[in-house]
Amino acid sequence: DIVMTQSPDSLAVSLGERATINCKSSQNVLSSSNNKNYLVWYQHKPGQPPKVLIYWASTRESGVPDRFSGSGSGTDFTLTISSLQAEDVAVYYCQQHYSTPRTFGQGTKVEIK
Amino acid sequence: QVQLVQSGAEVREPGASVKVSCKTSGYTFISYYINWVRQAPGQGLEWMGIINPSGGSTNYARKFQGRVTMTRDTSTRTVYMELSSLRSEDTAVYYCARDTNMGLGWFDPWGQGTLVTVFS
Repeated sequence: DIVMTQSPDSLAVSLGERATINCKSSQNVLSSSNNKNYLVWYQHKPGQPPKVLIYWASTRESGVPDRFSGSGSGTDFTLTISSLQAEDVAVYYCQQHYSTPRTFGQGTKVEIK
Repeated sequence: QVQLVQSGAEVREPGASVKVSCKTSGYTFISYYINWVRQAPGQGLEWMGIINPSGGSTNYARKFQGRVTMTRDTSTRTVYMELSSLRSEDTAVYYCARDTNMGLGWFDPWGQGTLVTVFS
């Protein structure tokens, strides 16, 4: 199974400041057949289902604010919130869909400092 | 628009079974696989398995094999997840989520979640 490890487990950032979340997979999730990273980022708020923010590691979902960006390839990935807003308080998860079982990182809780 | 609407909260005693439904609308039912994911209190997201609504084939996470059964009813566009031999550790919110690419994609959209509580 591919193990997904996020860091940090939580972080507190001032409004308007940058938040950076890292995700490391135990195996490569870059497909050689289509050169795509099978890595997605979700935002999860209490009482709501998770919401897709970024897919293929760096493609922003339609309607997602451009302060959210994803980067990385192979085994190391990053989600960046360039200017944290109050509505961004949530838990963020990375997930690989390169192989079964699908696996998630343990989540990173983002709060306002 | 695409919607997945799940059944309501359930309470069960240890050893019992629970069956959660996920009714879909807004797209061709047999064209998209459905995943099940759960989140225990204070824990992260855990993938349980996937079903192909077209033929009914399934693939379960090793942890749940022998205890979980995923089925579908094409006439009502509904997918079901049944978990048996419940224990307190199965207390969680259970989500269904559509797979974006024939079992190779990410999950979007998700159902609203169903809280299953197991206690004696």
